[in-house]
Amino acid sequence: ETGVTQTPRHLVMGMTNKKSLKCEQHLGHNAMYWYKQSAKKPLELMFVYSLEERVENNSVPSRFSPECPNSSHLFLHLHTLQPEDSALYLCASSQDWGQGNSPLHFGNGTRLTVT
Amino acid sequence: GDSVTQMEGPVTLSEEAFLTINCTYTATGYPSLFWYVQYPGEGLQLLLKATKADDKGSNKGFEATYRKETTSFHLEKGSVQVSDSAVYFCALRRYGGSQGNLIFGKGTKLSVKP
Repeated sequence: ETGVTQTPRHLVMGMTNKKSLKCEQHLGHNAMYWYKQSAKKPLELMFVYSLEERVENNSVPSRFSPECPNSSHLFLHLHTLQPEDSALYLCASSQDWGQGNSPLHFGNGTRLTVT
Repeated sequence: GDSVTQMEGPVTLSEEAFLTINCTYTATGYPSLFWYVQYPGEGLQLLLKATKADDKGSNKGFEATYRKETTSFHLEKGSVQVSDSAVYFCALRRYGGSQGNLIFGKGTKLSVKP
């Protein structure tokens, strides 16, 4: 079982659809993250959860809605997306949120295409 | 604010060549420094890290030394293989505050030809 598992690996959705991305970590970590990776752009941090509480929300449009029901699971709910939202969405976890020396462990991402 | 600057890619090398990917950073305090690698179709994997000045991180033949005086963390490998073809990201992370996230460089794509 890999440390951080994301499903689905690929998702194609229309602009009026509602879908969810799922992330699960098996590392016993306390912090979880959503990142967006677009072509030709740096990685963008979207949300951070620490012990199931949202601690960072980096000006992300409301059409992206995160949910963290427990420290092992993280969801990203999507609705009325735009074509420019097409990207690779990466989930990550770390032992703690504020510990500067603990690395993030990433999943393999969900490749999202909005048509 | 904090930032990480990596050399522009892509970098194309022949197998067994020496690799250097430059990384410099700007940060207050004493950040930890990381190199991540992303193989095609996958997420990012931690390659190595260093948490204080003069530390050397190493893994899979890759090395990087935390140089506070030059604010650098250059990635090196003595003899690259085709399987090293990937995108490499330099990153920093500060302790505490609201900087729980990593600050990433833009990534450097490496292609190794047989």
